[in-house]
Amino acid sequence: RKEVEQDPGPFNVPEGATVAFNCTYSNSASQSFFWYRQDCRKEPKLLMSVYSSGNEDGRFTAQLNRASQYISLLIRDSKLSDSATYLCVVTLSGGYQKVTFGTGTKLQVIP
Amino acid sequence: DTAVSQTPKYLVTQMGNDKSIKCEQNLGHDTMYWYKQDSKKFLKIMFSYNNKELIINETVPNRFSPKSPDKAHLNLHINSLELGDSAVYFCASSQRLAGPSYNEQFFGPGTRLTVL
Repeated sequence: RKEVEQDPGPFNVPEGATVAFNCTYSNSASQSFFWYRQDCRKEPKLLMSVYSSGNEDGRFTAQLNRASQYISLLIRDSKLSDSATYLCVVTLSGGYQKVTFGTGTKLQVIP
Repeated sequence: DTAVSQTPKYLVTQMGNDKSIKCEQNLGHDTMYWYKQDSKKFLKIMFSYNNKELIINETVPNRFSPKSPDKAHLNLHINSLELGDSAVYFCASSQRLAGPSYNEQFFGPGTRLTVL
């Protein structure tokens, strides 16, 4: 089983739709969780951290489910500019931070 | 000003050549990284340096040799390039490496390496 797994997509959704992605992780000792966004032919950029209590940033909501070992990202009222690949990131501490990126989920918002 | 910069942006070369990629960050961060993103978009860490000291070397062939002359620079030298080395190489930095809390990684724009 891969350390961090994501559905590669693509998810093709119309503008205004709500879309959700999940990311599963294999190591129950994982400590910190993040979503990054990567536009085509660009570098990844931090979108938001994921906290145990869940967190929201505008149209974006991130959730963590430790029991089932997955994190989720919900995007409401999708915009054309949301089209990108969303990378799940999981960290594990053990002397130093081990950071593992998922392979990403591609989102295409259609007019 | 660009926070993390890499040069060159594109690199096309023949198999067997030796090439270098340079990375600089002006964020005052302690930690720098090299990642490789292959054609399937999988972003895999190669190396991590903390205050010029190698911390992580993730089973990378020894044809790849990172060098950190100071904590603002982390260069990557690749000997005897192979077809499988074709990928996008990203440099990144974060405020620090160790500790219970993760520090946001800031990525450079990437270097697209094509080996012919």
